[in-house]
Amino acid sequence: SQKIEQNSEALNIQEGKTATLTCNYTNYSPAYLQWYRQDPGRGPVFLLLIRENEKEKRKERLKVTFDTTLKQSLFHITASQPADSATYLCALSRSNDYKLSFGAGTTVTVRA
Amino acid sequence: DTAVSQTPKYLVTQMGNDKSIKCEQNLGHDTMYWYKQDSKKFLKIMFSYNNKELIINETVPNRFSPKSPDKAHLNLHINSLELGDSAVYFCASSHASGTASRQFFGPGTRLTVL
Repeated sequence: SQKIEQNSEALNIQEGKTATLTCNYTNYSPAYLQWYRQDPGRGPVFLLLIRENEKEKRKERLKVTFDTTLKQSLFHITASQPADSATYLCALSRSNDYKLSFGAGTTVTVRA
Repeated sequence: DTAVSQTPKYLVTQMGNDKSIKCEQNLGHDTMYWYKQDSKKFLKIMFSYNNKELIINETVPNRFSPKSPDKAHLNLHINSLELGDSAVYFCASSHASGTASRQFFGPGTRLTVL
């Protein structure tokens, strides 16, 4: 059965450093991979989408890579700030499929 | 001008009761979803409607019944509530024009079954 794993449940980093989160998947061939941010008591908020034929996507201090050979996505937050503290979820979907399958999330805490 | 709204935000009820959660989106989207997020924060799709038609129906007990009176609303009715139904339920919406569409989530409804 398909599996989506975000390798760290929690990540603690110092302000100004780069946070790197991983999302690995097995028994799945996603056409799209999305990253969401979830704050406590709130719904997930979309951050970035990357397609299977794209290697990298950037948005401000965020960078996502997608390696379909390794079956892995990396999510980077550069020059991290305490306001970046949240849980980050990766989500995969196939072509012609509305269903998003989510990983369990990685909780990032940025220390001032 | 909330994009996706849910009511109520909190719901505390006894086992065996029947309850409903309402969801509305004002984004003009064609597709709406219900997700369940358990205590381990794992977000799992339950149902999805596209233009009032059911398109995703995951393995969910038939005590859960979604209803979409129009494409801006998707309600979730739960019969005979059980302790294991305690979770946060999120509604979401997206454009139907592409499966690469980002989803917009509501604030969630925290259901506690006693």
